[in-house]
Amino acid sequence: EAGVTQFPSHSVIEKGQTVTLRCDPISGHDNLYWYRRVMGKEIKFLLHFVKESKQDESGMPNNRFLAERTGGTYSTLKVQPAELEDSGVYFCASSQSFGDTNYGYTFGSGTRLTVV
Amino acid sequence: GQQLNQSPQSMFIQEGEDVSMNCTSSSIFNTWLWYKQDPGEGPVLLIALYKAGELTSNGRLTAQFGTTRKDSFLNISASIPSDVGIYFCVGGSNYKLTFGKGTLLTVNP
Repeated sequence: EAGVTQFPSHSVIEKGQTVTLRCDPISGHDNLYWYRRVMGKEIKFLLHFVKESKQDESGMPNNRFLAERTGGTYSTLKVQPAELEDSGVYFCASSQSFGDTNYGYTFGSGTRLTVV
Repeated sequence: GQQLNQSPQSMFIQEGEDVSMNCTSSSIFNTWLWYKQDPGEGPVLLIALYKAGELTSNGRLTAQFGTTRKDSFLNISASIPSDVGIYFCVGGSNYKLTFGKGTLLTVNP
């Protein structure tokens, strides 16, 4: 089966611009998660979708970040306007609903975002 | 928030050597996991631990979930060059993963 796919793999934008990251989870996976790693820090949780609903968005840093998952398939994460501290690697992961307690999440390769 | 203290930050070993890394937390987790990240890729699950005191092996990897549910270690035996990468200890609770900062492992052939 195809894995979790993220687009783009790299993005360089200027401060103040808008960037949209996309994640295609494994087909049939109801749960989709966004994580990010900023320079020198741990990988941190951003939010969790169950199908099209936001189950937990406690990790979203501020209202410049907007995540959507229309139709419960792919998800987008938009940063508007981007700031320098938003630079980092953004990971998406997915899991089947019955496997949640096993934490057998499959991660994508990530999008490396650089804000200059 | 919850934090994991992972050590060491980096290790340089010779091929064939054994390596050990560990993780502690001030919080209790339901599940402890160890992930590995190769360059340019996302983290991949190596071992998952669900019960306090549990000792689990996966090939050359062995991990244990501490009895207090606040610590874990990972051992890699007879290291090989493809073991290079970043190893993360991860606490799982309420579908959310809390990552340690990672241990960068370099294996010299």
